[in-house]
Amino acid sequence: GQNIDQPTEMTATEGAIVQINCTYQTSGFNGLFWYQQHAGEAPTFLSYNVLDGLEEKGRFSSFLSRSKGYSYLLLKELQMKDSASYLCAVRDSNYQLIWGAGTKLIIKP
Amino acid sequence: DADVTQTPRNRITKTGKRIMLECSQTKGHDRMYWYRQDPGLGLRLIYYSFDVKDINKGEISDGYSVSRQAQAKFSLSLESAIPNQTALYFCATSVSADYNEQFFGPGTRLTVL
Repeated sequence: GQNIDQPTEMTATEGAIVQINCTYQTSGFNGLFWYQQHAGEAPTFLSYNVLDGLEEKGRFSSFLSRSKGYSYLLLKELQMKDSASYLCAVRDSNYQLIWGAGTKLIIKP
Repeated sequence: DADVTQTPRNRITKTGKRIMLECSQTKGHDRMYWYRQDPGLGLRLIYYSFDVKDINKGEISDGYSVSRQAQAKFSLSLESAIPNQTALYFCATSVSADYNEQFFGPGTRLTVL
């Protein structure tokens, strides 16, 4: 079966750095996505990785290791508005997105 | 104005009723999707459409049907609603499979009593 694993919840302090991990087992791999979802709102796109390595976009970075079936999202200089759920999704061999359950990130002052 | 809109935003209905959820987009995207989201679970794909004449079942299509009336409109119907279809439903669009960043509507919260 296909499986995406992420921690259910994480807590971090404003101004700090947090790393959210995602491991996957899917039938094929055609890219990995990270989305942000604030409570009660729609998911919004953060990043896309298809090759191994680090993609940096402002305060957010995403890393991929295809051989390990592993990715992480790194958030720097945390702000209160970063409190949200972070969804990892993998595009499989049929080009469909398989979604993780999401990691709820709580930012404390 | 929002690029992807969904109506209604909230709906309470009774078991056995037929319900239609509507999605419209002004992004000009060919590909449209319907997902449901349940607490503690990832988004699950119900149906997707790559163009007006192409409709495909997703992971959990049983109990649902769809209609792609135009490039901009994609409707989801629950033929006979049941309580375990209570969920948050999202419509999404994308340009193509190669990149496939998906743009989501605001969601419809459906409660089946």
